[in-house]
Amino acid sequence: DAKTTQPTSMDCAEGRAANLPCNHSTISGNEYVYWYRQIHSQGPQYIIHGLKNNETNEMASLIITEDRKSSTLILPHATLRDTAVYYCIVRVPYNQGGKLIFGQGTELSVKP
Amino acid sequence: DAGITQSPRHKVTETGTPVTLRCHQTENHRYMYWYRQDPGHGLRLIHYSYGVKDTDKGEVSDGYSVSRSKTEDFLLTLESATSSQTSVYFCATHDLGAQETQYFGPGTRLLVL
Repeated sequence: DAKTTQPTSMDCAEGRAANLPCNHSTISGNEYVYWYRQIHSQGPQYIIHGLKNNETNEMASLIITEDRKSSTLILPHATLRDTAVYYCIVRVPYNQGGKLIFGQGTELSVKP
Repeated sequence: DAGITQSPRHKVTETGTPVTLRCHQTENHRYMYWYRQDPGHGLRLIHYSYGVKDTDKGEVSDGYSVSRSKTEDFLLTLESATSSQTSVYFCATHDLGAQETQYFGPGTRLLVL
């Protein structure tokens, strides 16, 4: 599974969009991009994932560059409850041996 | 999510004693995982299971064993606990499918004195 690079920390004003970048320059063609977050002391929570196309759900949007070497997670209207560590993970499908390998993530602080 | 419970939620034990942590799920997911989380290391995979009685090692499996005799239960055993195994342990499950989303339990805080 390819490695990812994320900024260690970011700040965002409440109500504004939070844009969290992730570099995965060694990603393979069959590897998905997953985003999880972990609010203090809780288990990680799934946010969104994608392969090639941009994706949107009720929590966030995922923008993947055309060459798939980087992606951005967008929280459109960040709230104080979005303060968490956000993990960007790339992996092959589970039936091909893929596993979730967590890096250090980005600590997002949403401020009033 | 996925009806995952972990027990106990908190435990204090002494070095050299055996400890078993339990993960229970109600979604009939085929895959189950045990992770540990320590400051500066993020989450690291200990062991995982891809079916009843089918298990395999993760990246930090030394000192741990697992068992899965039923789909819903995945046990993590520390045969002889050491202080280095003080950590927060998370269980996770998923099933194959379009989403392949892994759901995590609430965690177990283990302190080995």
